[in-house]
Amino acid sequence: EEQLVESGGDLVQPGGSLRLSCVGSGFNFSRFEMNWVRQTPGKGLEWVSYISKSGTNIEYADSVKGRFIISRDNARHSLFLQMNSLRVDDTAMYYCARDRAYPDIWGQGTTVTVSS
Amino acid sequence: EIVLTQSPGTLSLSPGERATLSCRASQSVSSSYLGWYQQKPGQAPRLVIFSVSSRAPDIPARFSGSGSGTDFTLTISRLEPEDFAVYYCLHYGKQRWTFGQGTKVDI
Repeated sequence: EEQLVESGGDLVQPGGSLRLSCVGSGFNFSRFEMNWVRQTPGKGLEWVSYISKSGTNIEYADSVKGRFIISRDNARHSLFLQMNSLRVDDTAMYYCARDRAYPDIWGQGTTVTVSS
Repeated sequence: EIVLTQSPGTLSLSPGERATLSCRASQSVSSSYLGWYQQKPGQAPRLVIFSVSSRAPDIPARFSGSGSGTDFTLTISRLEPEDFAVYYCLHYGKQRWTFGQGTKVDI
């Protein structure tokens, strides 16, 4: 079965940092571009970041540019999101998603709460 | 940046009825880069339709997508109990995704 499993979500204070991980299984991870998407009750689904198969091409939403860093380790079938300078409005469920131009497989999500 | 507006916000229907969900783009969507996702409480979104009208694997034939330019529709021909959920449209392209705000299909 093709699946993605996220981890790393936690409660963190404003200004803090967190690193999310996403492990893929059941498919050749290195052959797919990957993304992070977040969801809040108020703002719905929001694309966060994209990374190419090799990791050389990267894109960020304006809301996280300069604060978040996406990376991947194909040998470990893993995707990462380093989140720095966290703000209250970064509070969300964070999903990793496999990219076939559109997201075709999603993880179950990991919850990030930014609060003092 | 393309903005997607979905309507209605909530669609109250009964099993067996037809559901018609709308997604309007702020500018023309090129190359059919439009998809639909279903999300149930506590679950991740699930791909239903890609490239405007192509059903994802394991999606039943009662789901269909149509449209072009700026106006797109997801139709569920006869609602089954498991179809009651929130549906999102998505524009994809140039390594950036834009989601609509969702339509809740409610009993």
